[in-house]
Amino acid sequence: GQQVMQIPQYQHVQEGEDFTTYCNSSTTLSNIQWYKQRPGGHPVFLIQLVKSGEVKKQKRLTFQFGEAKKNSSLHITATQTTDVGTYFCAALRGAGSYQLTFGKGTKLSVIP
Amino acid sequence: SAVISQKPSRDICQRGTSLTIQCQVDSQVTMMFWYRQQPGQSLTLIATANQGSEATYESGFVIDKFPISRPNLTFSTLTVSNMSPEDSSIYLCSVERGASYNEQFFGPGTRLTVL
Repeated sequence: GQQVMQIPQYQHVQEGEDFTTYCNSSTTLSNIQWYKQRPGGHPVFLIQLVKSGEVKKQKRLTFQFGEAKKNSSLHITATQTTDVGTYFCAALRGAGSYQLTFGKGTKLSVIP
Repeated sequence: SAVISQKPSRDICQRGTSLTIQCQVDSQVTMMFWYRQQPGQSLTLIATANQGSEATYESGFVIDKFPISRPNLTFSTLTVSNMSPEDSSIYLCSVERGASYNEQFFGPGTRLTVL
């Protein structure tokens, strides 16, 4: 079945440094979603990208969807301690599908 | 957004017993999903539950082990049957936002420990 590969698995950054997590698929994706899970919490939807080459920003967070719709990235500028958590990418399994396949996630630690 | 509650929030159970987890949504939704998340791991979809039809299970998950009910558009239950320590995990329900939106809203999860 469809797999979504996410790297890195862990990232430790000093507060104020930037952070990027990458998501890749061997197949073309209909869309890509990003979720954040705080320690002890549940996943919370951040954004959905649908169009080839799409770029969306939410304050310090920048989300990109590749031109071939096979990869995506989440970039955080000037991390803060509130950014701590695990970031997951997720993709619909195909056109007309409602089920999501989640990447393994990137656990972000921010050192104050 | 949807507000989702789950009961219980956590439980410690003996092997061989069963636990039923409840998921309540504050609005009517067509699709509900049940996931398992082992500590430090990603989310694995167990099944999709539609009201009025049998749940659709993912590879590796069977109805005898994880029976699901979906009696109406705001409620679902997942039972973990004949539990073993390998079933220790966090179980989450989620709903799709609907109306051509694909994002999912998650409940707070049920942390299950099997001794």
